[in-house]
Amino acid sequence: EPEVTQTPSHQVTQMGQEVILRCVPISNHLYFYWYRQILGQKVEFLVSFYNNEISEKSEIFDDQFSVERPDGSNFTLKIRSTKLEDSAMYFCASRLTSGGADTQYFGPGTRLTVL
Amino acid sequence: AQSVTQLGSHVSVSEGALVLLRCNYSSSVPPYLFWYVQYPNQGLQLLLKYTTGATLVKGINGFEAEFKKSETSFHLTKPSAHMSDAAEYFCAVRGYNNNDMRFGAGTRLTVKP
Repeated sequence: EPEVTQTPSHQVTQMGQEVILRCVPISNHLYFYWYRQILGQKVEFLVSFYNNEISEKSEIFDDQFSVERPDGSNFTLKIRSTKLEDSAMYFCASRLTSGGADTQYFGPGTRLTVL
Repeated sequence: AQSVTQLGSHVSVSEGALVLLRCNYSSSVPPYLFWYVQYPNQGLQLLLKYTTGATLVKGINGFEAEFKKSETSFHLTKPSAHMSDAAEYFCAVRGYNNNDMRFGAGTRLTVKP
């Protein structure tokens, strides 16, 4: 069964460094998402991406964050200058259509630790 | 805007007992409702979803949920818990014209032998 994959599974970085989290969505999907989950808290929406541009973003997704689909398969989340509070699990998701009923498929997540 | 509230951050049941995980939603438009499960060190896996039609929805692993509009609820149940059901469960809502999905805080289910 097709699945969303994410690399790395765990990323440790120093505060102020740039990190890039990578995702490979399901191949025929058109809508892509990033969510984050701070330890012990709820899963929060960051951004959605369609047709090579951001379609929606939350208040969390500030200028320090950017997303890109550099080729036909990868979808990346870049954090320009990491802060301690960026430590979280980051989930990528994808879905085929924009219909509200359509299922979003999630990757296994990348655990980001900022020291 | 949509939101969900999950009552009880931690639920503990005995193996073979009924599982009931509570979820209430708030939505200004007809909602689509989802339950996801997260096993340790894994991603979010869809258990079931309500879109339209039948209000009792059956999902994987013997779980089901009932959409009750009058109570704005979408509680998840399973008649008989299994040890393998131990995980974190998330309720989520999305409006039909919305792109993002709003999650509840999650409920950790523990199953005792």
